[in-house]
Amino acid sequence: GAGVSQTPSNKVTEKGKYVELRCDPISGHTALYWYRQSLGQGPEFLIYFQGTGAADDSGLPNDRFFAVRPEGSVSTLKIQRTERGDSAVYLCASSLTGVRGYTFGSGTRLTVV
Amino acid sequence: DQQVKQNSPSLSVQEGRISILNCDYTNSMFDYFLWYKKYPAEGPTFLISISSIKDKNEDGRFTVFLNKSAKHLSLHIVPSQPGDSAVYFCAASVLNRDDKIIFGKGTRLHILP
Repeated sequence: GAGVSQTPSNKVTEKGKYVELRCDPISGHTALYWYRQSLGQGPEFLIYFQGTGAADDSGLPNDRFFAVRPEGSVSTLKIQRTERGDSAVYLCASSLTGVRGYTFGSGTRLTVV
Repeated sequence: DQQVKQNSPSLSVQEGRISILNCDYTNSMFDYFLWYKKYPAEGPTFLISISSIKDKNEDGRFTVFLNKSAKHLSLHIVPSQPGDSAVYFCAASVLNRDDKIIFGKGTRLHILP
């Protein structure tokens, strides 16, 4: 597609439930990144994929968070046993040229009630 | 510990005047710096960048200045226009290392008519 697509755009879930957030990168972009932006903060790095493998997952806050990119294209961020503190905008970006070429999606606003 | 700091949460500037947004960083390993602009309900979009081998980069109305000894950079917008009203994020990276971008908390710029 023309840009990075994230679905859903909004997600409201109850505390303790499982959620999946999807990212469709720009076609041909080998690198894919997930960031989280909490209220009043800048985007915080979560995980980076190069192809199918997670090259750096040092930003995942705990083992409730997991992400996959099985075919090197679409990625899914999975959050188990959601907590109210997980409420944030989850941003996905893709790139062909590393940090010089990030393109962000519009994000998924997750609200845990 | 914030590695990229934007100490002004908001800034108001008269249309036609110069807007100056400031940013400080603590990690001396950073060698590539970026500014992103963000409108509500959209993802951040790349504005301008600068490598640590330069002290100035200009693109139309936007100029970024880098002072490595002070670990300080600034974004100048001249002349400011109504469409410039947005949140501006300063960001930094270590090029060719891990493709991770570290963002500041952002400065909300209001352009007054």
